[in-house]
Amino acid sequence: DGGITQSPKYLFRKEGQNVTLSCEQNLNHDAMYWYRQDPGQGLRLIYYSQIVNDFQKGDIAEGYSVSREKKESFPLTVTSAQKNPTAFYLCASSAYRAEQYFGPGTRLTVT
Amino acid sequence: RKEVEQDPGPFNVPEGATVAFNCTYSNSASQSFFWYRQDCRKEPKLLMSVYSSGNEDGRFTAQLNRASQYISLLIRDSKLSDSATYLCAVKMINTGNQFYFGTGTSLTVIP
Repeated sequence: DGGITQSPKYLFRKEGQNVTLSCEQNLNHDAMYWYRQDPGQGLRLIYYSQIVNDFQKGDIAEGYSVSREKKESFPLTVTSAQKNPTAFYLCASSAYRAEQYFGPGTRLTVT
Repeated sequence: RKEVEQDPGPFNVPEGATVAFNCTYSNSASQSFFWYRQDCRKEPKLLMSVYSSGNEDGRFTAQLNRASQYISLLIRDSKLSDSATYLCAVKMINTGNQFYFGTGTSLTVIP
C-alpha cells in the first residue's frame, strides 16, 4: 500500500521546545517537500529536497531545519526560533516532472 | 506578484449547476499544471493534471491557455460532495521542480 505517512497527526508542545515532525514515503519519489498551511491561507513552502543529502530553502525556512539521509524520509524540525509555529504541516513527494502527493498532515499547537 | 493567483470565492452554487474556476500564473516557463481538491482540515488530493489540449474526467474538465497564462476547471452537474476548496498548482522545472499553489477557491454546493 504505497503512500506518504506523517506522524503524529496532532502534536502539542510548549513554547521554547524543538519538535520534529516525521514524513515517510514508499513511492520511490526523489523529491520531497514540506509546506505550512495556516487557517484560510494557501500552502507555503518551507523546504524541499530533490535528492538524498541535498535540500533547499523555500519561502519560509527561518526557524525550521530538515535532513534527507534516506530517500524515503524527510523529517522537519520546528525550532524554538520559529515565531509562530502553530499550523498545519504537510509533507509531499513527487517523481521527476510529475504531480505531487501529500501526506495526511500534522497539526502542531504550541502554547 | 504571486506566482499563482486564484479567486478565493466563496462560490455557492445549487446542486446541478455548472461552475468554473480560473487560475492565472505569472511565469511563462511554467511546465506542468494541476488541480487539487482539499476538504476541510485534510490534505490536498490530486484531482487532475491539466494537459495542453485540455482534458476531461467525468464531470470535470480542465483547460490550459498558455498564451494568456491561465488554467481553468469546469465542474458540471455539481454534487453536494463537490463542496471543498480547489487549489491550482504550477510546477516549474527551472526552479528545481518547485510547485507553486494558489490560495484556493472555496466551493459550496447547496441542496
